[in-house]
Amino acid sequence: DTAVSQTPKYLVTQMGNDKSIKCEQNLGHDTMYWYKQDSKKFLKIMFSYNNKELIINETVPNRFSPKSPDKAHLNLHINSLELGDSAVYFCASSRTGDAEAFFGQGTRLTVV
Amino acid sequence: GENVEQHPSTLSVQEGDSAVIKCTYSDSASNYFPWYKQELGKGPQLIIDIRSNVGEKKDQRIAVTLNKTAKHFSLHITETQPEDSAVYFCAALPYGGSQGNLIFGKGTKLSVKP
Repeated sequence: DTAVSQTPKYLVTQMGNDKSIKCEQNLGHDTMYWYKQDSKKFLKIMFSYNNKELIINETVPNRFSPKSPDKAHLNLHINSLELGDSAVYFCASSRTGDAEAFFGQGTRLTVV
Repeated sequence: GENVEQHPSTLSVQEGDSAVIKCTYSDSASNYFPWYKQELGKGPQLIIDIRSNVGEKKDQRIAVTLNKTAKHFSLHITETQPEDSAVYFCAALPYGGSQGNLIFGKGTKLSVKP
């Protein structure tokens, strides 16, 4: 009965590959997010998305793209992976207008 | 834009002592200030939050204070226990922003020694 679940938990891949991280929430929330946490633990929003609007942090390279097949899922696709993409990626969700967010357990991406 | 500074970056206390983590923010229009706890290998979890119309909020052993004039807010943990060991993040939400606009501090690693 996990609220926000991400798969995989660990992902090791070579530079130049394309990979996806999946996220699902069973809280009935209508807004989902992707955060990146770097090696110094700094948390930064990448995207926020509901069925009406995708908000992209302007610093996110266009190699990163969120895809939402339905309200309960927001997957993250990354093309042409680079060494600097290595980080922990967190999915989160909330009710629109509610500031409290629920986070998944994270996906540790290592690009070699 | 909003900028959140958090201090200290690491904090070590003896079990039973109190721990205080401080944050400052730059945007006086920010109106929501949550605190998240991140345990090893897990995602951040909201532990307490405060809105700009309140000066203090308590929940058992944790409390948050907000000084709007000085633009700083603090997390207080009393009677610390080993399970309080984690990384704590403060955040600020600019006025009119959705949750996705949360600006996080850089985190404080709290170690509680038994």
